[in-house]
Amino acid sequence: GAGVSQSPSNKVTEKGKDVELRCDPISGHTALYWYRQRLGQGLEFLIYFQGNSAPDKSGLPSDRFSAERTGESVSTLTIQRTQQEDSAVYLCASTAQTGGAREQFFGPGTRLTVL
Amino acid sequence: TQLLEQSPQFLSIQEGENLTVYCNSSSVFSSLQWYRQEPGEGPVLLVTVVTGGEVKKLKRLTFQFGDARKDSSLHITAAQPGDTGLYLCAGAGGSGYALNFGKGTSLLVTP
Repeated sequence: GAGVSQSPSNKVTEKGKDVELRCDPISGHTALYWYRQRLGQGLEFLIYFQGNSAPDKSGLPSDRFSAERTGESVSTLTIQRTQQEDSAVYLCASTAQTGGAREQFFGPGTRLTVL
Repeated sequence: TQLLEQSPQFLSIQEGENLTVYCNSSSVFSSLQWYRQEPGEGPVLLVTVVTGGEVKKLKRLTFQFGDARKDSSLHITAAQPGDTGLYLCAGAGGSGYALNFGKGTSLLVTP
């Protein structure tokens, strides 16, 4: 497809387990973003990639969160030892270039539920 | 972090009514975007405003960027059920790459 895809669409896990969330950006988009959206809240910036590098990781809420990107394409967000407060929709977006005025194209998100 | 406050948080109106939602901040933004998000989907860009005082129209939607580039409004004329969704404003700040999102206005338009 031509858009941003994310998998899985839904993930239910038990507290303490690790999870991996995947994002496939639009082909050729160099910048990739991860956001978290809690119920009734706006989007919370987590991390951004320019190519395979992450210049700013300051949005990651704790050291249980990590992300990587390979081949200037697929990105994986990993949450270790999940906690109930990690429950949220995790959204990925990509854009052709960096710069706040660029349109960010979002995927449908992964809904994570930690029991 | 440059905070964006959106109001109202929730809005329920009947088809045909007009409405305005607001996005306010104490910070100056180089540009501001409005997105609409439907349940189970990611946000989709509606408009980007860049110049202070700028007004953009998208069919029945009118967007305005404040003169000081700190606030914005979205006015919908003759709302339709298809306008239902979460409207998010997002400001581009000094970092140049991250967008600061407001919490959104959840709009319900009933027939």
